Amino acid sequence: RKEVEQDPGPFNVPEGATVAFNCTYSNSASQSFFWYRQDCRKEPKLLMSVYSSGNEDGRFTAQLNRASQYISLLIRDSKLSDSATYLCVVKSGGYQKVTFGTGTKLQVIP
Amino acid sequence: EAGVTQFPSHSVIEKGQTVTLRCDPISGHDNLYWYRRVMGKEIKFLLHFVKESKQDESGMPNNRFLAERTGGTYSTLKVQPAELEDSGVYFCASSPLEGFTEAFFGQGTRLTVV
Repeated sequence: RKEVEQDPGPFNVPEGATVAFNCTYSNSASQSFFWYRQDCRKEPKLLMSVYSSGNEDGRFTAQLNRASQYISLLIRDSKLSDSATYLCVVKSGGYQKVTFGTGTKLQVIP
Repeated sequence: EAGVTQFPSHSVIEKGQTVTLRCDPISGHDNLYWYRRVMGKEIKFLLHFVKESKQDESGMPNNRFLAERTGGTYSTLKVQPAELEDSGVYFCASSPLEGFTEAFFGQGTRLTVV
C-alpha cells in the first residue's frame, strides 16, 4: 500500500459545482497535512494546511479524519481557474520528510 | 521579493554525461529541499539542507547524485554520470521554518536523458 493515495481523476465538473477529493495515508503517526495545487508544467503551490479541527479558506474547506486516516478538500462554487492538479502532502516521522500523493486532476468545464 | 529560482528550466543530455542543476532559495530561508518527479509518479523527496548542512539525504537515489549548498545560500544538484531513469522534473523548495511549513517551490528543472 502506498504511503499516500489519491484518486488521480480527472474530475470533470461544471462551473459552480461543488467537488470533493479525498486522500488516504497509511502512517497513523502522521503529523502534518497539506493540500498543494499544481498547474500544468508549473511548480506546486501551497493551497492550505489541514488542521485537526478542519479549516476553511473562502471556497475551500479542508478536513482531517484521523480515525479513518484521510484528509479531504472541498471546493464550492467551482471556477474555471480551479482547474489544476491537487496534491496531498503528508509529513510523518523523519525530521522534515514529506510524502506527496500523485495528485488529483480537476477540470472545471464552462 | 524574488521566489525560488531554478536553472536551467530544461536540460537535455546524453546518457553518461554530467548535469548540474542550480537552486536559489528565497533570501533568508535556511531550509532548502530537493524533490524529483519521474513521469507518471509522485513527487519524491531527495534531500534537505539547513543552511549549508545536509539534514536528511535519505531520498537520494544513489551515489551518482551529489548535492551541495556552500555558504548556505544557493544549492547545486549534480548528476554524474546521468542515466536514462534520471529523467524527470527536479524541484527545489525553500522554507524559513522547520517542518516543511510555508515551503515555496521553484518552477523546476525538466531533465531529459537520452
